[in-house]
Amino acid sequence: QVQLVQSGAEVKKPGASVKVSCKASGYTFTGYFIHWVRQAPGQGPEWMGWINPNSGATLYAQNFQGRVTMTRDTSITTAYMELSRLRSDDTAVYYCARDPYGDYAKYYFDYWGQGTLVTVSS
Amino acid sequence: DIQMTQSPSSLSASVGDRVTITCRASQSISNYLNWYQQNPGKAPKLLIFAASSLHSGVPSRFSGSGSGTDFTLTISSLQPEDFATYYCQQSYITPPTFGQGTKVEIK
Repeated sequence: QVQLVQSGAEVKKPGASVKVSCKASGYTFTGYFIHWVRQAPGQGPEWMGWINPNSGATLYAQNFQGRVTMTRDTSITTAYMELSRLRSDDTAVYYCARDPYGDYAKYYFDYWGQGTLVTVSS
Repeated sequence: DIQMTQSPSSLSASVGDRVTITCRASQSISNYLNWYQQNPGKAPKLLIFAASSLHSGVPSRFSGSGSGTDFTLTISSLQPEDFATYYCQQSYITPPTFGQGTKVEIK
């Protein structure tokens, strides 16, 4: 069965960086885009961008341009999301999610990781 | 960005009730509308994609309809496991955007 398993919770100081991992299993990792979505406490989800695990190509949301980097390691079927210059309003649960289509991003999400809480506090 | 507005923001209902949630887009999105269910402390789960297509494994009591700017999610007979928060999401234009959520609570 499709599974996305994320790394554990992180506590960071303002200005620091965080890197969250997402280990995929149960399907062909290079066959489907991976998106990153975050959800601040009490808010709706917010899309951050995607990575094509096959080519490594990425597309980032304008709100995160210059601060986010998405990468992957196909040898261990894992995607990563690194967010830099953290601020207190980056405190949120960060999710990886799979796009259901292979050839291009359809921008909806059929399987999700369990989420990683990132807390930014001095 | 396309704004997605859900109503109501919360509702109280009983087991067995028929429940309808509305989602309105700030511009036409054809049928590029998806619905998710989220339980507290858990990731969202896809229920419906392309406005009316049921995701694999989702019970048939869930249905979706609409096109253009106005959409609805209907639960035909509310079950105990359906008390959760529901989000709509447009996938018509980048960036994909979500509604603010509708919390379905036990009456």
